[in-house]
Amino acid sequence: DAEITQSPRHKITETGRQVTLACHQTWNHNNMFWYRQDLGHGLRLIHYSYGVQDTNKGEVSDGYSVSRSNTEDLPLTLESAASSQTSVYFCASSDGSTGNTIYFGEGSWLTVV
Amino acid sequence: QKEVEQNSGPLSVPEGAIASLNCTYSDRGSQSFFWYRQYSGKSPELIMFIYSNGDKEDGRFTAQLNKASQYVSLLIRDSQPSDSATYLCAVGGQTGANNLFFGTGTRLTVIP
Repeated sequence: DAEITQSPRHKITETGRQVTLACHQTWNHNNMFWYRQDLGHGLRLIHYSYGVQDTNKGEVSDGYSVSRSNTEDLPLTLESAASSQTSVYFCASSDGSTGNTIYFGEGSWLTVV
Repeated sequence: QKEVEQNSGPLSVPEGAIASLNCTYSDRGSQSFFWYRQYSGKSPELIMFIYSNGDKEDGRFTAQLNKASQYVSLLIRDSQPSDSATYLCAVGGQTGANNLFFGTGTRLTVIP
């Protein structure tokens, strides 16, 4: 079955370190997204991509970057991790043809100490 | 900036009752509306979507949309303890091109 997978699922890192969260989908979806979820804020969009070589900033993009070199992958990089980036990160994808139905990965729990 | 508002709850209903979850949105240009369910520690999963004014039914779930009032709701009939979760309302623009904006979610507890 097609799916969307994230790794690592849990990570603890130190302030100032660079961290990359991987996201891989096998649906061949053009659209991919990264959200973070925090208490009181719900899901907030970090970056998104509508295809290879396309990347766009979302609502809370500061301190994050993404790259899209192929259809399947959209890695999220925290350039210099900060305690404010402790959160749950969800990768998601959609094909856009059936409205904006977005399907989520299992999530990556990141703690910055 | 699109805003999506939900009552955070918690909303408690007895087993077998109807649970009513509500959502309002700020952008009149919004075209697509989604309800996701999220169990604690899990990722959101799509329950249903609605694009046109009126009701849309899928099993025990009914989504209701009123674009004039910028209001969307989800009714859960014959609520079960397994329905206990946080329900997220999401709003999007024209199909095929836009991402979704999410509310903070309503926590539902179904009491056996």
